[in-house]
Amino acid sequence: EAGVAQSPRYKIIEKRQSVAFWCNPISGHATLYWYQQILGQGPKLLIQFQNNGVVDDSQLPKDRFSAERLKGVDSTLKIQPAKLEDSAVYLCASSLPSGYGYTFGSGTRLTVV
Amino acid sequence: AQSVSQHNHHVILSEAASLELGCNYSYGGTVNLFWYVQYPGQHLQLLLKYFSGDPLVKGIKGFEAEFIKSKFSFNLRKPSVQWSDTAEYFCAVLGEGGSYIPTFGRGTSLIVHP
Repeated sequence: EAGVAQSPRYKIIEKRQSVAFWCNPISGHATLYWYQQILGQGPKLLIQFQNNGVVDDSQLPKDRFSAERLKGVDSTLKIQPAKLEDSAVYLCASSLPSGYGYTFGSGTRLTVV
Repeated sequence: AQSVSQHNHHVILSEAASLELGCNYSYGGTVNLFWYVQYPGQHLQLLLKYFSGDPLVKGIKGFEAEFIKSKFSFNLRKPSVQWSDTAEYFCAVLGEGGSYIPTFGRGTSLIVHP
């Protein structure tokens, strides 16, 4: 079974630039999550989608972060403009609506310089 | 609201030593509990999970965890660690009846010296 696909694996940008990450969940997983994992901390949920609708985006810094899942399958997370403190690994996960089958992708490591 | 606390932030062991990583959670109802492992440069992988039934859960690579409801704990154990167990370990809790979003602890960094 194919896992959760994420790209790119690594990204280095300068502060104030913009960046986008892509996630393709496991086939059939209606629920998709984006997490931010800062070095030395556990993953923090940024946004949760159910199909193409947002379930929870209470911890998403909406002044600079945005995410979409237009067709209810793959998703993009964008940061514009980036700050130094955005340096982290951005993880995508997907699951069935019940939470069953919860699986993480490999993540995108973002470094803002 | 659910929360997770991992007490050991950094653990250093020699090979063949026994391991126990602490995890305590806070939630007023029924919980599902998980341990994830993240090897250097790799993604999070599920080690084991507890949903119901036998509170002693066995996972991959010789790991086990015991759910003690009275102590709100789900400690991870391995009787004899190997150098290849060097990784970050994350405990997570999922409260039933909530939003199906796990809450993660901050992780424990385990270094095993050969």
